[in-house]
Amino acid sequence: DAKTTQPNSMESNEEEPVHLPCNHSTISGTDYIHWYRQLPSQGPEYVIHGLTSNVNNRMASLAIAEDRKSSTLILHRATLRDAAVYYCIQRTGGGNKLTFGTGTQLKVEL
Amino acid sequence: DAGITQSPRYKITETGRQVTLMCHQTWSHSYMFWYRQDLGHGLRLIYYSAAADITDKGEVPDGYVVSRSKTENFPLTLESATRSQTSVYFCASSRELAVSYNEQFFGPGTRLTVL
Repeated sequence: DAKTTQPNSMESNEEEPVHLPCNHSTISGTDYIHWYRQLPSQGPEYVIHGLTSNVNNRMASLAIAEDRKSSTLILHRATLRDAAVYYCIQRTGGGNKLTFGTGTQLKVEL
Repeated sequence: DAGITQSPRYKITETGRQVTLMCHQTWSHSYMFWYRQDLGHGLRLIYYSAAADITDKGEVPDGYVVSRSKTENFPLTLESATRSQTSVYFCASSRELAVSYNEQFFGPGTRLTVL
């Protein structure tokens, strides 16, 4: 997996949307973008993934730029329970290994 | 549905001792992984296994041994523990490669301290 670039930390207020950016300038046509998050003292958990078009699930939305060199994870209404480290991972097509960077530490305040 | 479990959750040992960390999953997933997580680093892959009796090295395999005699178990052994192996260890599993995305499911972690 190629390395992605994320801000070290971000802050948000509760009940407000959060946009977590990720740059993946070396992405190729078959690489998926995956997001995981790690709550304090827990193992990482899958959030969402996408290839070319925007994706939504019950946890979040993923907006992928038209040139696919960047993407944004959107939490529509942050809660205190969303405070975690969020990892953006560029997955080589067919690969089953994950290469974690240091992620973005999201802090959510009342 | 137990999912994926790790034992022990906490372990303190001394330099030079052998330590085995256990990982068990109930989904019959083909793939299993071991990661370590240290302060200032993301998770780093130690070893992984594509199926029973098939294992391969990850990014940081030195000092570790794995085996996989049964699909559901993937123990990680530190044959002679060193202080640099103090870390939090996570086990994960995922379904076969043929799935278009390969979500990994992680265990709760084992915090290992080597004195």
